[in-house]
Amino acid sequence: GAVVSQHPSRVICKSGTSVKIECRSLDFQATTMFWYRQFPKQSLMLMATSNEGSKATYEQGVEKDKFLINHASLTLSTLTVTSAHPEDSSFYICSARVTGGNTEAFFGQGTRLTVV
Amino acid sequence: QKEVEQDPGPLSVPEGAIVSLNCTYSNSAFQYFMWYRQYSRKGPELLMYTYSSGNKEDGRFTAQVDKSSKYISLFIRDSQPSDSATYLCAMSGGYGGSQGNLIFGKGTKLSVKP
Repeated sequence: GAVVSQHPSRVICKSGTSVKIECRSLDFQATTMFWYRQFPKQSLMLMATSNEGSKATYEQGVEKDKFLINHASLTLSTLTVTSAHPEDSSFYICSARVTGGNTEAFFGQGTRLTVV
Repeated sequence: QKEVEQDPGPLSVPEGAIVSLNCTYSNSAFQYFMWYRQYSRKGPELLMYTYSSGNKEDGRFTAQVDKSSKYISLFIRDSQPSDSATYLCAMSGGYGGSQGNLIFGKGTKLSVKP
């Protein structure tokens, strides 16, 4: 199957700093990528849909100024958590859909963010 | 009523058992149905992908979709300890726009005991 690489897998940062998470599709082009957040024992919650070359579409309740998404190429999307706070600590997962393919999405390995 | 309902378990079975995992949904527009496996602290891995109603088999895994009942199932035959994970169902209404976004169940945690 298609491979999605997410980096870093784990990050600890101080409160008030910003953290960037990268999501790359390694062997396919992805016009659309998705960013999810997952709290312990909870399902995936869609945060935003990232479209190459255009602004991301954020889900209700997600602050677009806090969670900056950039999708500058067909193989890379980044999520920057700005001015992170302890309540932002979570597991962040990206997924990518093959351009011109079916609707299934392939997921990265996830990033565990801990804000201290 | 949530769009996708999935019993979170946990479900514990002995090695070799047949496992049945299920989801129900309320949106009749859903046409694409997926099952993902997620190991602890890892991203979900796509297991099965089905379009519309019917069965699909891949090795020890069989996915069933009954659109008339709005019910999907994943069967695991000859279950192994390595199958221990959380299984998430996901579905969408179509490829483009918001209809293409996946709606996930909460996931069922499965434990296969040796």
